[in-house]
Amino acid sequence: GNSVTQMEGPVTLSEEAFLTINCTYTATGYPSLFWYVQYPGEGLQLLLKATKADDKGSNKGFEATYRKETTSFHLEKGSVQVSDSAVYFCAGSGAGSYQLTFGKGTKLSVIP
Amino acid sequence: DTAVSQTPKYLVTQMGNDKSIKCEQNLGHDTMYWYKQDSKKFLKIMFSYNNKELIINETVPNRFSPKSPDKAHLNLHINSLELGDSAVYFCASSQDFLGTSHTGELFFGEGSRLTVL
Repeated sequence: GNSVTQMEGPVTLSEEAFLTINCTYTATGYPSLFWYVQYPGEGLQLLLKATKADDKGSNKGFEATYRKETTSFHLEKGSVQVSDSAVYFCAGSGAGSYQLTFGKGTKLSVIP
Repeated sequence: DTAVSQTPKYLVTQMGNDKSIKCEQNLGHDTMYWYKQDSKKFLKIMFSYNNKELIINETVPNRFSPKSPDKAHLNLHINSLELGDSAVYFCASSQDFLGTSHTGELFFGEGSRLTVL
């Protein structure tokens, strides 16, 4: 079956620091990959996605590139803000999977 | 306009009680889901309905029973509540069934925090 592994948190950064949250996947075939974000007290919302190898998803200054050779989809942002404090979930779906498989989430706290 | 709305937002109840959580989506989506998020933020799918038909039923105690009166609604009824049922329950919807579309975008409600005492 499919599985998604992301780095465990929590991660605490100062404002304007560089962010990387690692995510790797195991799947049959080539899944579509996603990053979801959950702000405090809210449900998850899609941050970005990539549906095939070498695709780059980007949104709100965040980026992630679908790397087939390393089966990875690491989330990056060049300069984080306090408002980026949230829990970030990597997820994958694909052939043979009836559901979106989520990683365990990484809590990010950005301090001024 | 809230796309996916669920009620109640908070629910505190005693062990052994029966409770329901309601969910409605106004996005015209065909597929709806219930997820459980534990205290460590781990998300686990419980059920999925496509056009009112159950398509995913993970290993969930049969005390949990979903009901979909129409494709815009998916309610969750829980019998004989236990301490371990305390969690945040999220309803979500997608335009079509993930197994076929691979679009993967789920739209989540704000969650219903259930506390069993």
